[in-house]
Amino acid sequence: GENVEQHPSTLSVQEGDSAVIKCTYSDSASNYFPWYKQELGKGPQLIIDIRSNVGEKKDQRIAVTLNKTAKHFSLHITETQPEDSAVYFCAAHSYNQGGKLIFGQGTELSVKP
Amino acid sequence: KAGVTQTPRYLIKTRGQQVTLSCSPISGHRSVSWYQQTPGQGLQFLFEYFSETQRNKGNFPGRFSGRQFSNSRSEMNVSTLELGDSALYLCASSWDRSQETQYFGPGTRLLVL
Repeated sequence: GENVEQHPSTLSVQEGDSAVIKCTYSDSASNYFPWYKQELGKGPQLIIDIRSNVGEKKDQRIAVTLNKTAKHFSLHITETQPEDSAVYFCAAHSYNQGGKLIFGQGTELSVKP
Repeated sequence: KAGVTQTPRYLIKTRGQQVTLSCSPISGHRSVSWYQQTPGQGLQFLFEYFSETQRNKGNFPGRFSGRQFSNSRSEMNVSTLELGDSALYLCASSWDRSQETQYFGPGTRLLVL
């Protein structure tokens, strides 16, 4: 079945620096890749997503890239701010899995002022 | 438009008891998924409902069950609670049966003593 691996598990950056989180997936049939941000005491919030027919997508300071050949996708946050501190999850959607999302283990991002 | 709501937000139970958690999806959303989130296991898929039918189930024992009503609201039930059931239980809704873009509620924090 689908397996999603996410790295690193923790990431600490200085305010203003960039942060990159990487995920790999195993099922070549996966076709939709969302990223979620989870703040303390809250549920995961969808921040950006990308489909398999697109290589890159940007939304202000956030961008996601997808390499279908290598089966990996990455989240890029530029000009980080303290409010970016949270746990970030990647996920892959595959109809081979009955159409469900498989999540990575999460990355705890800490942005130091 | 109101987001996904879950009740109760916090719950304390003792071993052997049972518990019922409730989820109201975003208005118009017909699909509801449930996840268990623990520090060690991340987000684990429990089950998914669409139009009152369970379409997918994760690898959890039969003590975990759920249902969906005609108004798309969903409940999950855990019987004979064990200490290991302590977790954050998250509900997510999506527009259609593809289950791609999912929106999460704040979760119910269950503590089993």
